[in-house]
Amino acid sequence: QKEVEQNSGPLSVPEGAIASLNCTYSDRGSQSFFWYRQYSGKSPELIMFIYSNGDKEDGRFTAQLNKASQYVSLLIRDSQPSDSATYLCAVNYQKVTFGTGTKLQVIP
Amino acid sequence: DTAVSQTPKYLVTQMGNDKSIKCEQNLGHDTMYWYKQDSKKFLKIMFSYNNKELIINETVPNRFSPKSPDKAHLNLHINSLELGDSAVYFCASSQGPSQGQETQYFGPGTRLLVL
Repeated sequence: QKEVEQNSGPLSVPEGAIASLNCTYSDRGSQSFFWYRQYSGKSPELIMFIYSNGDKEDGRFTAQLNKASQYVSLLIRDSQPSDSATYLCAVNYQKVTFGTGTKLQVIP
Repeated sequence: DTAVSQTPKYLVTQMGNDKSIKCEQNLGHDTMYWYKQDSKKFLKIMFSYNNKELIINETVPNRFSPKSPDKAHLNLHINSLELGDSAVYFCASSQGPSQGQETQYFGPGTRLLVL
């Protein structure tokens, strides 16, 4: 069983729509959860982190964490073509483990 | 000012050669990492050092040897390169390994191609 699972996509959404990216993890003791964005040919960069159950908002981005269901998601409101990238979920349980990423395509 | 830098950016070499990749961070962080990202984009941790001490040593061939001369530098030496070593290698750093410190800042990557 993979430790951090994501749908590889691609997830296609029209410009202006809400993109919803999901991630599940296997270690119940996981404490910290991260979303990184990686443009093609570039390095990952942090978008958000979340530690507590519930929602955390930052601009157009909202991270949602449900530890009981071992599930973390990222919502992107008013999606823009510049949001087209691969989104990596990362979970810290003794070490940070990355998911395989979901490729998001925002269609103009 | 580049926060996390790696050299070289590109590395093309023959099977069997030995090569090194260097990484430096000027963020004042205590923890540094090496990751391998394969063609399927899976980012897998290889090693992590905290204040020059090895704290994560994943199952990688012992042809890969990290070295941290000080907490701002983490180098990766690879002996007897194989075709399967072709990948992008990312260096990263964080304030520390503990919760609240573990946000990672990545270097630009080194694209290694073994022929």
